[in-house]
Amino acid sequence: IAGITQAPTSQILAAGRRMTLRCTQDMRHNAMYWYRQDLGLGLRLIHYSNTAGTTGKGEVPDGYSVSRANTDDFPLTLASAVPSQTSVYFCASSPSGGLYEQYFGPGTRLTVT
Amino acid sequence: GESVGLHLPTLSVQEGDNSIINCAYSNSASDYFIWYKQESGKGPQFIIDIRSNMDKRQGQRVTVLLNKTVKHLSLQIAATQPGDSAVYFCAIRGSQGNLIFGKGTKLSVKP
Repeated sequence: IAGITQAPTSQILAAGRRMTLRCTQDMRHNAMYWYRQDLGLGLRLIHYSNTAGTTGKGEVPDGYSVSRANTDDFPLTLASAVPSQTSVYFCASSPSGGLYEQYFGPGTRLTVT
Repeated sequence: GESVGLHLPTLSVQEGDNSIINCAYSNSASDYFIWYKQESGKGPQFIIDIRSNMDKRQGQRVTVLLNKTVKHLSLQIAATQPGDSAVYFCAIRGSQGNLIFGKGTKLSVKP
């Protein structure tokens, strides 16, 4: 059992390019989340999904989109990357959006040049 | 809005001593609180959580205390070890079911 996997581990991307960060969980969790972590700012929620087929906006959604076609996968897309999207991105999941801990993936380090 | 603040960005303790990391939160209606540990280059790892109907919960070498009157949360680590060196985040459950994180306290353990 892997838990949550993210790909790629790291990426250098030219500004203006499109990029999809992949996230897969094998715990059959209903809720999934995308956070970005920046130095001095902690983790901030980008988008979330409480169940397959539904998504919602978090604190910093601009420039990002997500989809939730099935329970296991929750990809995050940057349609046209900008340098301010340089960050470490973490995917997380929990059994539901209720009073449960969230399990985090290992992260994707993205640098936009 | 909902927010989580931290009292100290860094904490240095001697190996074997107890560590106390503090957090303050703004929303008195918050019902779920959680502590994570993050080692360098890794994702946050769950340590312990507590619901608002409790004021204390203990795990292995860790204790979380919740004071709803002053909206304060603390993590106590007993007999701190070098392997405890990491950044510790407190978080509260937000209205969207997400977690709202504090900015983290970096714990350094001196041998």
